[in-house]
Amino acid sequence: DTGVSQNPRHKITKRGQNVTFRCDPISEHNRLYWYRQTLGQGPEFLTYFQNEAQLEKSRLLSDRFSAERPKGSFSTLEIQRTEQGDSAMYLCASSLVAGQGGAEAFFGQGTRLTVV
Amino acid sequence: TQLLEQSPQFLSIQEGENLTVYCNSSSVFSSLQWYRQEPGEGPVLLVTVVTGGEVKKLKRLTFQFGDARKDSSLHITAAQPGDTGLYLCAGVIQGAQKLVFGQGTRLTINP
Repeated sequence: DTGVSQNPRHKITKRGQNVTFRCDPISEHNRLYWYRQTLGQGPEFLTYFQNEAQLEKSRLLSDRFSAERPKGSFSTLEIQRTEQGDSAMYLCASSLVAGQGGAEAFFGQGTRLTVV
Repeated sequence: TQLLEQSPQFLSIQEGENLTVYCNSSSVFSSLQWYRQEPGEGPVLLVTVVTGGEVKKLKRLTFQFGDARKDSSLHITAAQPGDTGLYLCAGVIQGAQKLVFGQGTRLTINP
């Protein structure tokens, strides 16, 4: 297994355009997280999935953001009508969780988004 | 509101010195992880602690989980320039599901 894979690694887009990022988690992992990270800060939680179910979405996340995990495997994060403030590193992580509580998460290399 | 407070946020020391980074919360965590992140890369997991009072060692790094599972520390002995990076603590609050992060400690070890 090659770990968590994110594509693309870098994306430059014009303000107002839509962008979509993909995350392929570690194959047997049932939980998948999306985070956003700006320079010098810790990752900020966006949303997470347990299998194909989206269980929580940050209240800080505007309606322009949507995420899917249709078959409980890979996930996509779409940002519509991008704004300059969306420029950040978008991180995906996966973990194997049984029962209640969390488990250690493994991260991909991230997608660096620049909105110009 | 930051659920996990890390301190210090920035630390610059000389090679060979010791240091401690703290991660504090008013919430109880079912587990807590420490990550290290290089510029332009995703965080890399260093250790997971789950039991109050637990101590884990990874070469020159010592991780401790507080007895009440509300805080943790990372101690580095004889720091080396290769230890330079962003150190992040993260955890799952007891009874919750999502993994939350502290704001990170930017560590610079000068040769």
